[in-house]
Amino acid sequence: GENVEQHPSTLSVQEGDSAVIKCTYSDSASNYFPWYKQELGKRPQLIIDIRSNVGEKKDQRIAVTLNKTAKHFSLHITETQPEDSAVYFCAASSLRGGGNKLTFGTGTQLKVEL
Amino acid sequence: DTAVSQTPKYLVTQMGNDKSIKCEQNLGHDTMYWYKQDSKKFLKIMFSYNNKELIINETVPNRFSPKSPDKAHLNLHINSLELGDSAVYFCASSRRTSGSSDTQYFGPGTRLTVL
Repeated sequence: GENVEQHPSTLSVQEGDSAVIKCTYSDSASNYFPWYKQELGKRPQLIIDIRSNVGEKKDQRIAVTLNKTAKHFSLHITETQPEDSAVYFCAASSLRGGGNKLTFGTGTQLKVEL
Repeated sequence: DTAVSQTPKYLVTQMGNDKSIKCEQNLGHDTMYWYKQDSKKFLKIMFSYNNKELIINETVPNRFSPKSPDKAHLNLHINSLELGDSAVYFCASSRRTSGSSDTQYFGPGTRLTVL
């Protein structure tokens, strides 16, 4: 089955700096890669996603890149703000086995310091 | 927002009891899911239903039994609760299963504590 590794597990940055979170996946059939943000005590919320036919996607301060050959994808947050502090999860999904199964990474606790 | 809702939000119970968590989505989605988030925040899929039909069952103990009375509802019943079942359980839904992977929208979660 799919295995998703995520690094780093914790990340502290100064307000205004950039943050980068990296993930690798194992299943070449995976074709959809969402990123979720989870604030303390809240539900995971989708912040950006990318499909396997695209190499990069950007939405304001957030961007995601995908390297299918190397099976890795990354989240980039620029001009970080205190409200960016949360746990971020990458995930990979394939339709192998007939289902839309999301396999999550282990999460990155991002702390943006003033 | 109430797109995907779950009840109850908190559930505290004794070992050995049986409990249920309910989930409803009003997005018109065909597919619903249950995820378990443990104390280390690891999110893992348990089940997925598409139009009331079970399509994913991730080696979950048979004490866990999902039930989907219609495509807008997916309930989770847990028998003989154990300490290790303590976790946050998230329901999610997406438009469809086949063709391509679709965004999954999560409910607010149910924090289950087994004493």
